[in-house]
Amino acid sequence: DIQMTQSPSAMSASIGDRVTITCRASQDISNFLAWFQQKPGEAPKRLIYVASSLQTGVPSRFSGSGSGTEFTLTISSLQPEDVATYYCLQHNSFPRTFGQGTKVEIK
Amino acid sequence: QVQLQESGPGLVRPSQTLSLSCSVSGSLTSGAYYWTWVRQRPGKGLEWLGYISYRGNTDYNPSLKSRVTISLDTSKNQFSLKVTYVTAADTAVYYCARDKGFSGVDSWGQGTLVTVSS
Repeated sequence: DIQMTQSPSAMSASIGDRVTITCRASQDISNFLAWFQQKPGEAPKRLIYVASSLQTGVPSRFSGSGSGTEFTLTISSLQPEDVATYYCLQHNSFPRTFGQGTKVEIK
Repeated sequence: QVQLQESGPGLVRPSQTLSLSCSVSGSLTSGAYYWTWVRQRPGKGLEWLGYISYRGNTDYNPSLKSRVTISLDTSKNQFSLKVTYVTAADTAVYYCARDKGFSGVDSWGQGTLVTVSS
């Protein structure tokens, strides 16, 4: 099974800061990686799929990059509504596997 | 946009079977989809449980494989999850979702909390 290692596990940043979250796969998953945002009490919401494709309706301050085993989610200018936990998910093969999550807070 | 909605008991006794259904708007077999269950224990991350394909093929998380069954009921436009011999560790919010294969999971239900307690 493919293991996904996400970092950091938590972070705080100021409004307007650039935020970067990393996910590493234990083997090559090409570009088959998605990023989800989850707010308390809500279902996850897809932000990015196939590493860099922005889900319709998601603000352009969110972007994804990477291929192979290393991937990045970037929030170019952190906004108050971005407070959430973010997860990566590999969709290269089954069983699907999630990263452990990154909790983003406002400093 | 597909809509998914979980339903089932919110309380299950230890050693019993947890049973949930997911109602789907639109056909379960009209596309190459993988109908998926994910759970989230309180305060923890997301855990993929398994899928059933539009053709009825299944795959499960190896850590739960012996206790999990996912099935399809096309007449009701639903798919279901069963987890046998539950313990407190199975207490979680359970989500159903649609996985489109190489473009991944794109739609989720709102989730339903299942508590295992006597």
